[in-house]
Amino acid sequence: NAGVTQTPKFQVLKTGQSMTLQCAQDMNHEYMSWYRQDPGMGLRLIHYSVGAGITDQGEVPNGYNVSRSTTEDFPLRLLSAAPSQTSVYFCASSLMAGGYQPQHFGDGTRLSIL
Amino acid sequence: SQQGEEDPQALSIQEGENATMNCSYKTSINNLQWYRQNSGRGLVHLILIRSNEREKHSGRLRVTLDTSKKSSSLLITASRAADTASYFCATPNFEYGNKLVFGAGTILRVKS
Repeated sequence: NAGVTQTPKFQVLKTGQSMTLQCAQDMNHEYMSWYRQDPGMGLRLIHYSVGAGITDQGEVPNGYNVSRSTTEDFPLRLLSAAPSQTSVYFCASSLMAGGYQPQHFGDGTRLSIL
Repeated sequence: SQQGEEDPQALSIQEGENATMNCSYKTSINNLQWYRQNSGRGLVHLILIRSNEREKHSGRLRVTLDTSKKSSSLLITASRAADTASYFCATPNFEYGNKLVFGAGTILRVKS
């Protein structure tokens, strides 16, 4: 039982490049989400999904896309990387909608945009 | 916008001492959660307290909730060096369909 797995762990991009951050969970959780963590700002919600085929925006969605074709996977796409997107990205999952359930986090992807 | 805000921002104590962290939030909630984050790792869920509960224990952890003051506290008793981490409170935010919103965290350093 691996929990929530994020890949890659580290990535350096140039401004304007695109990439996909991968997230997979093996707990059959319906709810998945993406956060970014910046110093002094805690975690901010980017996008979330309440089940396969359903996604919605969080508080900082601009510049990011998501899809949820299976229960297990929830990739996050950076469309055209900008230095402001330098951050640590965390994927999380829970059995049901996140506000009522403990969330399980991956170990993060540390992303630098040059 | 952040729902929960932790206080203090940083705390340094000696091993064996107790550590208390506080969290304030702005709107009505049905539960409040505390998480720990070790350096370079993801967040780990510690405890969930529901709005109709005033106190909850888990091992060396004690969480209190005062809904009239919109505040919560996390007490770690007999701290150990391994408790060194950042601690976050999180509350549901109805703006995003009851998704969890996190505060900026308290950095705890336990010196051995």
